[in-house]
Amino acid sequence: EVQLVESGGGLVKPGGSLRLSCAASGFTFSTYSMNWVRQAPGKGLEWVSSISSSSSYIYYADSVKGRFTMSRDNAKNSLYLQMNSLRAEDTAVYYCARGVNDFWSGPLDYWGQGTLVTVSS
Amino acid sequence: QLVLTQSPSASASLGASVKLTCTLSSGHNNYAIAWHQQQPEKGPRYLMKVNSDGSHSKGDGIPDRFSGSSSGAERYLTISSLQSEDEADYYCQTWGGTGMVFGGGTKLTVL
Repeated sequence: EVQLVESGGGLVKPGGSLRLSCAASGFTFSTYSMNWVRQAPGKGLEWVSSISSSSSYIYYADSVKGRFTMSRDNAKNSLYLQMNSLRAEDTAVYYCARGVNDFWSGPLDYWGQGTLVTVSS
Repeated sequence: QLVLTQSPSASASLGASVKLTCTLSSGHNNYAIAWHQQQPEKGPRYLMKVNSDGSHSKGDGIPDRFSGSSSGAERYLTISSLQSEDEADYYCQTWGGTGMVFGGGTKLTVL
């Protein structure tokens, strides 16, 4: 069974940093692309970042470019999102999602339950 | 610019059928999309990929009641024999260039 479990969310002050993690199990992690998608309270889904299976391709939404860094450790079946210079508008539930193939683009076929990040003073 | 447009809300009666629409922006008629369901207080769930020719491939465990189709720039999700648990938000998603895009979502109410 495919499982994606996010962790690392919490309350952080504006300008602060946070590192999210996503632990994957139930599939061969190193052969799939991975993604972060967020959802602000009461709002829709917003794509944040995608990474190909071997980390050759990493793309970011304009709203987080230069502040967030996505990475993965295939040996640990783990995905990460380092978030710096956080702003109030980054407040959201952050979901980890698997891509259907090894390239960075395509449908997202499994999702985690999300971790809440709150940016507030 | 790649944009997906969805109606904010839809409703249909228990046991009936409903067709949700996701419209691709001009010049992107040949793009495939994916449909996702998000029940209240839950993470999203992948339903299916819908190609420009109308073919579709569903995710694991998705019931036959869910189907996809296409016409021009529009991609559809049809849910038949509506059940109470189908009341949820439905999002379409596509990909291109160097990014992914989500539609604004449609809130489906089962009457």
